[in-house]
This record gives sequence, C-alpha cells and structure tokens, in this order.
Amino acid sequence: GESVGLHLPTLSVQEGDNSIINCAYSNSASDYFIWYKQESGKGPQFIIDIRSNMDKRQGQRVTVLLNKTVKHLSLQIAATQPGDSAVYFCAESREGAQKLVFGQGTRLTINP
Amino acid sequence: NAGVTQTPKFQVLKTGQSMTLQCAQDMNHEYMSWYRQDPGMGLRLIHYSVGAGITDQGEVPNGYNVSRSTTEDFPLRLLSAAPSQTSVYFCASSYIRAPYYEQYFGPGTRLTVT
Repeated sequence: GESVGLHLPTLSVQEGDNSIINCAYSNSASDYFIWYKQESGKGPQFIIDIRSNMDKRQGQRVTVLLNKTVKHLSLQIAATQPGDSAVYFCAESREGAQKLVFGQGTRLTINP
Repeated sequence: NAGVTQTPKFQVLKTGQSMTLQCAQDMNHEYMSWYRQDPGMGLRLIHYSVGAGITDQGEVPNGYNVSRSTTEDFPLRLLSAAPSQTSVYFCASSYIRAPYYEQYFGPGTRLTVT
C-alpha cells in the first residue's frame, strides 16, 4: 500500500548550521510532495512543495530535493534558527487528489 | 480572517460517551477534512468533504461520523468514545483546484478517553 516514511525520528543541529531532513516514499504514482512544519501545540503549516517532474525547488532558506530513482525526498534548511524547532512532515499527493498521505515526522531541535 | 477554528481545545470523555468536535473556516474553502494524530505518528485522514452535502471516508473512519450542511462548518461526531480514540484531532480546509489541495490546518483538539 501507499506509505511515506522518514529515516530519522529526531535531528539535533547547532544554531546557524544547515539541517537536512529526509523522507522515503513508496508510491511512484505520486505527483506532488509537500513538506509541513508543526510547532508545538499547533497545526501543521505548509512550507514548500515539489512536483514529481522536478528534482529541486528552492524557497526562502529552504530547499527540497527529489530523487525519484530511489524514492527519496529531503528538506534542507539553511542557517537553522531557534524558530525552526518543530516536527517536520513530508506528505504526498496526486494531481487533483482529495487526500494527503503523511509520513511519521522528524523532530528538529536546535542547540544554541 | 480567523482561518480554521476548532473547539474545544481539550476534552476528556469517559468510555461510551459521545461528543462533537467543531470545525469552522471563513475562507470559503470547498474542501474540509479531519485528521487524527497519535504520538510519534503522522496524520491519518478520518473523513473529508468536497462541498456542502458531500462527505466521504478517509483512512480511519470507524467510530466517527461527519456531516457538511454548510460550506463553513464540518463537525466530527464520536458516537461512543473508546480509549483508542485518544488522540489529537486536526481539521483542515482548502480550495479544490489544481494541482492539489494545499491544506490549512486548525490548532487541534486534544481528546482523552478514559
């Protein structure tokens, strides 16, 4: 069946360093991959998405990389700040789909 | 805009009790959905709706009912609460337009069933 999973449940980085959060997916029919950020006590918030015909997309301080050969997705956060502390989820969807399938989540903590 | 609002924020139920979790959005979104989030897990879809009068089941619908009488509101009803329904519940909404439904989430309701 469909599944979206993450390699590491926790990630700890120094403030100012770059963070890389990984995600593996199994559904090769997915058209879109999305990263959400969930701060403590809040609902998930959209960060960035990437279409399956792309291999890289950049936003403000974030970059998403997609490797369809190995079904791997990553989120890179540049110059990590304390406000980046959160749980990050990857999710997948199909064109016009009515559902998102979420992965387990990675907790990112920032060391001062 | 208030966005997506959920009430209550916290709720404790006894096994067998029923209750309704409220969700409302003021963005005129056609699509609304309910997810549950268990510790250490991602979000799992319970039910969703693509418009008033239309609902469908998600991944984990058993024990829950929904209805969509207006565009704004999408309540989730627990018919007979069980400890396995202890979770955090999130409501989300979005427009129905390509390429996919970029969803806006509410703040969540933390439910404990004893």
